[in-house]
Amino acid sequence: QAGLTQPPSVSKGLRQTATLTCTGNSNNVDNQGAAWLQQHQGHPPKLLSYRNNNRPSGISERFSASRSGNTVSLTITGLQPEDEADYYCSAWDSSLSAWVFGGGTKLTVL
Amino acid sequence: QVQLQQWGAGLLKPSETLSLTCGVYGGSLSGYHWSWIRQPPGKGLEWIGEINHSGSTNYNPSLKSRVTISVDTSKSQFSLKLSSVTAADTAVYYCTRTMTHWGQGTLVTVSS
Repeated sequence: QAGLTQPPSVSKGLRQTATLTCTGNSNNVDNQGAAWLQQHQGHPPKLLSYRNNNRPSGISERFSASRSGNTVSLTITGLQPEDEADYYCSAWDSSLSAWVFGGGTKLTVL
Repeated sequence: QVQLQQWGAGLLKPSETLSLTCGVYGGSLSGYHWSWIRQPPGKGLEWIGEINHSGSTNYNPSLKSRVTISVDTSKSQFSLKLSSVTAADTAVYYCTRTMTHWGQGTLVTVSS
């Protein structure tokens, strides 16, 4: 199954800004937009944004998403220790009629 | 506030059928897609499939031949069956409502 492509790891300093990327194709990201999820070890994922930059209630404005063609990005400003987690992107693939995920990016806050 | 609570067997032998159920509390099944997603130990997320309240389904093409997702609106539950399991199916299985609400996860281990 074709998935989305994410860098395995990103490291940034406390209070800095991190930008995580996710690349798909015209059947998923470019067509339907993407969602971003955050997962801390041992916990279920938490939805941070959907359809590119819609935040569910309760999600901090420090998390913002955007899309440019087949690539979506999640920008996290003012990094905090609790932002250290795994981040996944996901999109509906119209050719597969299935949700596809990226492999995840482990964000380390130094 | 919608809550999802899931249950099912956590230890299976190869070739057996995995069976999990997710109960939906504090909300209706109508108007949403209800999914199963799994995560092998130390690995990423994999979408298994989804169902809506009327029983319409979509499945991951790589698992489609072995997966059945069903819904019981009278009990406000939906269920997952995965047949002919192997060690590769060992994972934490999550139920979710459009990825906004999640069950607690169930570790399913396949071992002889």
